[in-house]
Amino acid sequence: DQQVKQNSPSLSVQEGRISILNCDYTNSMFDYFLWYKKYPAEGPTFLISISSIKDKNEDGRFTVFLNKSAKHLSLHIVPSQPGDSAVYFCAASEVFGNQFYFGTGTSLTVIP
Amino acid sequence: DAGVIQSPRHEVTEMGQEVTLRCKPISGHDYLFWYRQTMMRGLELLIYFNNNVPIDDSGMPEDRFSAKMPNASFSTLKIQPSEPRDSAVYFCASSPRDRGGSPLHFGNGTRLTVT
Repeated sequence: DQQVKQNSPSLSVQEGRISILNCDYTNSMFDYFLWYKKYPAEGPTFLISISSIKDKNEDGRFTVFLNKSAKHLSLHIVPSQPGDSAVYFCAASEVFGNQFYFGTGTSLTVIP
Repeated sequence: DAGVIQSPRHEVTEMGQEVTLRCKPISGHDYLFWYRQTMMRGLELLIYFNNNVPIDDSGMPEDRFSAKMPNASFSTLKIQPSEPRDSAVYFCASSPRDRGGSPLHFGNGTRLTVT
């Protein structure tokens, strides 16, 4: 059973607007959350992370929000750029765990 | 740093043949992971190693799959015999000793097609 879920397979956004990608998880033991970006024919690359002691982490145009009570995290990209078009995976790991559990990905298209 | 290196990039084989995928992790990284990407399940963990020792292989789908890490700089994932449903992109990833707060570094993957 998928412990990390991304329910939107795809998202299209106009350049300059905000992109919001969502992720839900079921395991309350998860304490570390990450977002990865993947271009075609390449491996996923780390984008941004957040630990469970925080509810927000920001890095330039990218902000990740964590709502532990809802077991939900989201990635905001502002402003969106055509180069942001990629598949975005969210991932999570447990306290003292070494495994990373990934969602199925959301394909973002930023329209110029 | 060359990053995680996987070979081959593409593999096309016939059903029943043996397939071997190779991975060189980033030097100094103590953890090595094998993932499989499919449309239905996304990135699925197959097995991971710590200091060359397999820690959890519960994600390996069947006995047809096996993985080894003979030394700190090399790992293989073998499928024997291969089947069409094994067609997917297989990723290798590594991470440093201090797992806490350390993300995975992925290779560019091997796209496997079994006909």
